[in-house]
Amino acid sequence: QKEVEQDPGPLSVPEGAIVSLNCTYSNSAFQYFMWYRQYSRKGPELLMYTYSSGNKEDGRFTAQVDKSSKYISLFIRDSQPSDSATYLCAFLTGANSKLTFGKGITLSVRP
Amino acid sequence: GAVVSQHPSWVICKSGTSVKIECRSLDFQATTMFWYRQFPKQSLMLMATSNEGSKATYEQGVEKDKFLINHASLTLSTLTVTSAHPEDSSFYICSARGSSYEQYFGPGTRLTVT
Repeated sequence: QKEVEQDPGPLSVPEGAIVSLNCTYSNSAFQYFMWYRQYSRKGPELLMYTYSSGNKEDGRFTAQVDKSSKYISLFIRDSQPSDSATYLCAFLTGANSKLTFGKGITLSVRP
Repeated sequence: GAVVSQHPSWVICKSGTSVKIECRSLDFQATTMFWYRQFPKQSLMLMATSNEGSKATYEQGVEKDKFLINHASLTLSTLTVTSAHPEDSSFYICSARGSSYEQYFGPGTRLTVT
């Protein structure tokens, strides 16, 4: 079983749609959970980060962590064409550990 | 969020020459910096981890004599690709971590070796 599984996509949605991006993981040692957004030919941008189960909201973005089921999700409300990018889930076993990434999913929001 | 810069954003060099890429944390002190490379449509591959004032720790399969990393201060790390060859052409991205666990990435450097 892979340590992190992320839906491969690509995903195409119309503008205004609610987008749900998901990752499952098998490593019980993961304690910190992050979502990065990467535009083409740019470095990843940290969107959301949390270390606890539950929901964390920031504007149109909501990160959800369920440690008991070992999955994390990112919800994007009222999606915009500017949200078109690759989204990567990422995990840490400890504050000083190396990031483990999902393979990323490419999202396209159609005007 | 915190800001990390990289310079240059794009560099073309001839085979056999060396290229230096700088990574700076602009508004925080980075105790640890990371160097990644990324091929088109692939995820990031960690090359090495560096702590300020210490030797870098390289991932398995990464040649430390070819990819020289120096983390001379809490705001600057450099990656030097020595004797570059066309197969070294890639997108190189650094990230930095301060006192907390979040990692912030630079905008990346596109290296083309001719």
